[in-house]
Amino acid sequence: DGGITQSPKYLFRKEGQNVTLSCEQNLNHDAMYWYRQDPGQGLRLIYYSQIVNDFQKGDIAEGYSVSREKKESFPLTVTSAQKNPTAFYLCASSMSGLADQETQYFGPGTRLLVL
Amino acid sequence: GQQVMQIPQYQHVQEGEDFTTYCNSSTTLSNIQWYKQRPGGHPVFLIQLVKSGEVKKQKRLTFQFGEAKKNSSLHITATQTTDVGTYFCAPPQGGSEKLVFGKGTKLTVNP
Repeated sequence: DGGITQSPKYLFRKEGQNVTLSCEQNLNHDAMYWYRQDPGQGLRLIYYSQIVNDFQKGDIAEGYSVSREKKESFPLTVTSAQKNPTAFYLCASSMSGLADQETQYFGPGTRLLVL
Repeated sequence: GQQVMQIPQYQHVQEGEDFTTYCNSSTTLSNIQWYKQRPGGHPVFLIQLVKSGEVKKQKRLTFQFGEAKKNSSLHITATQTTDVGTYFCAPPQGGSEKLVFGKGTKLTVNP
């Protein structure tokens, strides 16, 4: 799991501001994912990308945006349109995007707090 | 979309006691993965089950996939404080390449 880095570990945002969470992997994985985790809840998929320059919405994409310009990087922007952004954000990757067959490797996560 | 029910949501045990968490689906699953998340940490892959009735063991952990491939369980024998964390099952979402994570079972172990 040391192959995926997320920064920062903690992030504070004022209401109305956009903020971008970083996710980088050196595992040479094609697929990358963003999940949101709320206390006592499972992981909910925000966006995922199976290949560079392509990505798909997950179950809770509203208020979020992503880009995949490089294989190694999949940044997530939390926009002001996201009404309740305070959560733990986890980035993951898998080898080829066949998520139903492959292990997903998670980064350490970013805790976002809206002030 | 497909959902999985994971029970119990919380489990408190004394060190040395056994622990079991169950994952149930209303639809047949092609496979199921299990992950563990330590407090304050991130999910880590434990195992994947594919075959009907499959049983896999990892030291004190035993994973089972039901005969009908609609349920799965994780059993820990003689829990230790290092077993503390939340255990998630994650089958694929039907017809897609995405995983669906259950809400998890949070295990606490009293020494």
